[in-house]
Amino acid sequence: NAGVTQTPKFRVLKTGQSMTLLCAQDMNHEYMYWYRQDPGMGLRLIHYSVGEGTTAKGEVPDGYNVSRLKKQNFLLGLESAAPSQTSVYFCASRTDVYGYTFGSGTRLTVV
Amino acid sequence: RKEVEQDPGPFNVPEGATVAFNCTYSNSASQSFFWYRQDCRKEPKLLMSVYSSGNEDGRFTAQLNRASQYISLLIRDSKLSDSATYLCVVNKIDTNAGKSTFGDGTTLTVKP
Repeated sequence: NAGVTQTPKFRVLKTGQSMTLLCAQDMNHEYMYWYRQDPGMGLRLIHYSVGEGTTAKGEVPDGYNVSRLKKQNFLLGLESAAPSQTSVYFCASRTDVYGYTFGSGTRLTVV
Repeated sequence: RKEVEQDPGPFNVPEGATVAFNCTYSNSASQSFFWYRQDCRKEPKLLMSVYSSGNEDGRFTAQLNRASQYISLLIRDSKLSDSATYLCVVNKIDTNAGKSTFGDGTTLTVKP
């Protein structure tokens, strides 16, 4: 049982480039989330989804877009990368009853 | 004021010590509570849920105080491997939100 899988694990982008981070879960969870975590800081919610075909903004949505075309996948897009988006990105899923299951993270550096 | 607040620490304790962390929340409609553990440069992992009656899992005990709006985590007989950041998570009753509030974490370092 893989849980939550994120790809890629590492990426270096140049300012202005775009990219998509993929999150896949095999637990049939309804809710999925994208967080970012800067060094020494807490998790900040970027976008989330309460079901297939739905998305909503979190605390820090600017510069990101998401899609949830299939229940098991939640994609995070960076439209035009900026150095301020250098961070570790965590995807997570959960059900109503149980806690979150996180992916192992994507370490993104924008130069 | 943040919805969920934790003392960031760091808490530096010797092996074998007992240490306790608190986490306060501001929304009285909060429904469910969890403690997560995050190791350096790793993803957060569920440590334990927090029930109204309190619950224990080995050396770890979690308590909920609804009147004062805080949850606590007690670690007995600390091990070096307990060194990590501990996050509290609070869920509100909001069927459309689907999201929780994470504390920023309390860092624990257990020393030999």
